[in-house]
Amino acid sequence: NAGVTQTPKFQVLKTGQSMTLQCAQDMNHNSMYWYRQDPGMGLRLIYYSASEGTTDKGEVPNGYNVSRLNKREFSLRLESAAPSQTSVYFCASSEVGGEGEKLFFGSGTQLSVL
Amino acid sequence: QKEVEQNSGPLSVPEGAIASLNCTYSDRGSQSFFWYRQYSGKSPELIMFIYSNGDKEDGRFTAQLNKASQYVSLLIRDSQPSDSATYLCAVKSGSARQLTFGSGTQLTVLP
Repeated sequence: NAGVTQTPKFQVLKTGQSMTLQCAQDMNHNSMYWYRQDPGMGLRLIYYSASEGTTDKGEVPNGYNVSRLNKREFSLRLESAAPSQTSVYFCASSEVGGEGEKLFFGSGTQLSVL
Repeated sequence: QKEVEQNSGPLSVPEGAIASLNCTYSDRGSQSFFWYRQYSGKSPELIMFIYSNGDKEDGRFTAQLNKASQYVSLLIRDSQPSDSATYLCAVKSGSARQLTFGSGTQLTVLP
């Protein structure tokens, strides 16, 4: 029972390099999210996908792109990395049920941009 | 003004004491309130949610909601060292599809 799987766990980039963070969930959830977490800032939403085929901007979308490849997978791409994108990135998926909406998080990606 | 505010702490309590964590929010239309626990270096996990004014209890945890005063709190009774973590308050307004998180309160339970 893997839940939400993110790769890679750690990454170091140079300014201007590009990379894609991968995320997959096996819980058959419709909604998926990408958050970043910076010290003292809490979790901030970058992009989300309410269902397969749809994506929407969150609070801090600049410098990122996303792809909802299918119901399971939601990737985050940095086209030209900047030091300001140094952060911990979390992918999450959610279900809406009798107990309300629950977010399930992946284990996170620690990204450093030099 | 941040939409969801928490005291960043650190908050220290002795083992066995009650830990009280507070959160205020600015959107009066907010309808759903969540508490996530995050251990150092780990991902957040949901521990409580509350929708209605009043108290909601789950084991050693009690969530309290006061919509008139726009605050939500989390009480942890009989605190244990294993409760040491950062607690994130999250709020969902009626019109929003996604949660807004506070910056978290770091709790340390001293043995």
